[in-house]
Amino acid sequence: DGGITQSPKYLFRKEGQNVTLSCEQNLNHDAMYWYRQDPGQGLRLIYYSQIVNDFQKGDIAEGYSVSREKKESFPLTVTSAQKNPTAFYLCASSPRGQGWGYTFGSGTRLTVV
Amino acid sequence: SQQGEEDPQALSIQEGENATMNCSYKTSINNLQWYRQNSGRGLVHLILIRSNEREKHSGRLRVTLDTSKKSSSLLITASRAADTASYFCATDANDYKLSFGAGTTVTVRA
Repeated sequence: DGGITQSPKYLFRKEGQNVTLSCEQNLNHDAMYWYRQDPGQGLRLIYYSQIVNDFQKGDIAEGYSVSREKKESFPLTVTSAQKNPTAFYLCASSPRGQGWGYTFGSGTRLTVV
Repeated sequence: SQQGEEDPQALSIQEGENATMNCSYKTSINNLQWYRQNSGRGLVHLILIRSNEREKHSGRLRVTLDTSKKSSSLLITASRAADTASYFCATDANDYKLSFGAGTTVTVRA
């Protein structure tokens, strides 16, 4: 079955540590996105990529980094510069361009310990 | 920035009743989408309505769009316990990414 796989489901980070969240899709979608969701709030865009080897900052990119070396993969690194990383992270993909719904992964819950 | 704002923030209804929630946005859009999120899960795409459309149906879902008022509504008819979830509107403002609102939490009581 086609879909998006996010791993791990739960992740614990120590202060000052970088962690990487995985997002893989087999939908042959060109575009991929990372959103952050805090309790009781909507989704805020961190980074997005319309095509391989190209990506753009979203509304809250500070303290995060991404790469897009393969069409299927869009990993997100939460760096130590992100001061409040505890949140639910959602990855999504869509065909390139406008007018398409997104397919979301099941999310990674990151907690700072 | 979050363009869409849903109203109400929370809604509790009896099974079999209809649920209506609204979304307002600020700038012109190419399309508006509605998503459902069950607790602790990813979002599921429900329906997309383009800026030149006024109404769209999908099963028990009915979406309207009024671009002059910059608002949309989602109606769920004959609600079921399985409809208990958070519902988000998302706008595509011609910039190749979606902006999501804070959502409406719907509880369907048996």
